[in-house]
Amino acid sequence: DQQVKQNSPSLSVQEGRISILNCDYTNSMFDYFLWYKKYPAEGPTFLISISSIKDKNEDGRFTVFLNKSAKHLSLHIVPSQPGDSAVYFCAASVDFNKFYFGSGTKLNVKP
Amino acid sequence: KAGVTQTPRYLIKTRGQQVTLSCSPISGHRSVSWYQQTPGQGLQFLFEYFSETQRNKGNFPGRFSGRQFSNSRSEMNVSTLELGDSALYLCASGGLAGAGANVLTFGAGSRLTVL
Repeated sequence: DQQVKQNSPSLSVQEGRISILNCDYTNSMFDYFLWYKKYPAEGPTFLISISSIKDKNEDGRFTVFLNKSAKHLSLHIVPSQPGDSAVYFCAASVDFNKFYFGSGTKLNVKP
Repeated sequence: KAGVTQTPRYLIKTRGQQVTLSCSPISGHRSVSWYQQTPGQGLQFLFEYFSETQRNKGNFPGRFSGRQFSNSRSEMNVSTLELGDSALYLCASGGLAGAGANVLTFGAGSRLTVL
């Protein structure tokens, strides 16, 4: 039962352009969402979060958008840098402690 | 502030054996969660402990078990290993980070290979 889905396994973007990573969820009870970045041989690193009472949250080059009616979440990275190349996971939670993760999107930023 | 420490980082076992993985959370964090990562499957939730009690459990067979000690350190055990148990096992410490966001902070993981 995949409650959080990332339908694009990979994404390739030119350096300096915008990267848009998408995430869909099925459980309308989810009220807290996070994005993580993962490099090989390392654990996931927290990037940015958003609560369901908001529709947008920004942190530097990273912006997360939440569309509750569509049950859709997206992460925008502007401008994209080669160091952003990693696997990105979105996650959703109802109670902060049991998080459902997507299968990840591998982002490749080309110099 | 030390991060989440997982040991061992890598291990190889054979089918039928058992394995114990250890996790030390961030100091002061009382919640520890375990996830299994396999290629193409993302992170699958195993269980979560808070103050030595299992508070949430994922959809894994009973061969997967865990516990948490009074110092918040946690262990997970997998018995009667199967080839499909080969994965990266990630431990996450639950608590506040950055601008007050309640997040999971992950360790580097334990890479288990079952032969």
